[in-house]
Amino acid sequence: DQQVKQNSPSLSVQEGRISILNCDYTNSMFDYFLWYKKYPAEGPTFLISISSIKDKNEDGRFTVFLNKSAKHLSLHIVPSQPGDSAVYFCAASVGRDDKIIFGKGTRLHILP
Amino acid sequence: NAGVTQTPKFRILKIGQSMTLQCTQDMNHNYMYWYRQDPGMGLKLIYYSVGAGITDKGEVPNGYNVSRSTTEDFPLRLELAAPSQTSVYFCASSFMGWESYEQYFGPGTRLTVT
Repeated sequence: DQQVKQNSPSLSVQEGRISILNCDYTNSMFDYFLWYKKYPAEGPTFLISISSIKDKNEDGRFTVFLNKSAKHLSLHIVPSQPGDSAVYFCAASVGRDDKIIFGKGTRLHILP
Repeated sequence: NAGVTQTPKFRILKIGQSMTLQCTQDMNHNYMYWYRQDPGMGLKLIYYSVGAGITDKGEVPNGYNVSRSTTEDFPLRLELAAPSQTSVYFCASSFMGWESYEQYFGPGTRLTVT
């Protein structure tokens, strides 16, 4: 049973526009959420995180929004750039604990 | 800092063979992890370690073993390789402190079992 769901396997966005990647979770105990970015033939790299005590966290072009009642989070990238083309993984954990549960990922294509 | 390094990058094994995937980190992180990623899937945790001498099972530990004799190294052992173990394996480390939580990943080892 998937606890972290990324229902869109891929997404295409025009360069300069906003990219919105979505993630749903089922475990109401999750209270720490992370986004990772992965290029082909490389390991994932940490992008941004949010604790459940917040509903928004911003870092440059990247903003993560958390809706606890809907068990939903989203990653906004604005403006989208060609280097943003990658697979994005949503992940969640119970506290700053030891196990992170990853979603299947969404492949983002930034179109010129 | 090299970060997290993994060897080998690629390996082909025959069914029933054994091998060890090496992982080293030079960031003095206390936590280390092994994940596998199957095509079209997310990362699944195989084993993790919270410090030297301490290891614990993740979601998918069957067919694997680990040890953590030093802070830096966390090798993953495959005994009796099976086709179901064909995957990309990622090692990661983190410093589990209040201010820092994110995991740092190695480049991965692509393993094929035939």
